[in-house]
Amino acid sequence: SQQGEEDPQALSIQEGENATMNCSYKTSINNLQWYRQNSGRGLVHLILIRSNEREKHSGRLRVTLDTSKKSSSLLITASRAADTASYFCATASGAGSYQLTFGKGTKLSVIP
Amino acid sequence: DGGITQSPKYLFRKEGQNVTLSCEQNLNHDAMYWYRQDPGQGLRLIYYSQIVNDFQKGDIAEGYSVSREKKESFPLTVTSAQKNPTAFYLCASSVPLGGYTFGSGTRLTVV
Repeated sequence: SQQGEEDPQALSIQEGENATMNCSYKTSINNLQWYRQNSGRGLVHLILIRSNEREKHSGRLRVTLDTSKKSSSLLITASRAADTASYFCATASGAGSYQLTFGKGTKLSVIP
Repeated sequence: DGGITQSPKYLFRKEGQNVTLSCEQNLNHDAMYWYRQDPGQGLRLIYYSQIVNDFQKGDIAEGYSVSREKKESFPLTVTSAQKNPTAFYLCASSVPLGGYTFGSGTRLTVV
């Protein structure tokens, strides 16, 4: 079953601009994670934010989590052509849960 | 270097044939997973294993089978009962409530 849902489905921006992707989910979570996937490749883990955290940074990435709205956002600042990829949010739910449930992703295109 | 190795990268299956996808990790992770990805779609969980000699069905287990005889290995067999097996298959591993490390995937095509 699909828990997370990303918005927008596709996003096209110029190099140097910021990119914002949103994720909404349905049930309570332990943590929420963001992944990147380049075309035809495996996913790469970007950042994990726990349910008791509100904001987290990693380099040019900023993730926010609003558990009251059951939503998260991923901001990529000063985008580069190399950021072109699909971005997925994934949620971990339940006590001791190992499993992640993935959304369908946002396809980001950064135009040089 | 630690990581996950999936093989083969490309696999072709004839109608009625069983095929096995390999997944090996040297990260000492207890948990391993198999996901299926169809074009333009998210990942759907096929099977997962939290410990050696134990595994659980995911959302779309029908037509698939797995084994977990060693901590490092979690092979997936796509059986003839899986009527629409053409997809991109991803293996991953993790520690509890941690981020996943993914392999580079196997693209399976029915010919």
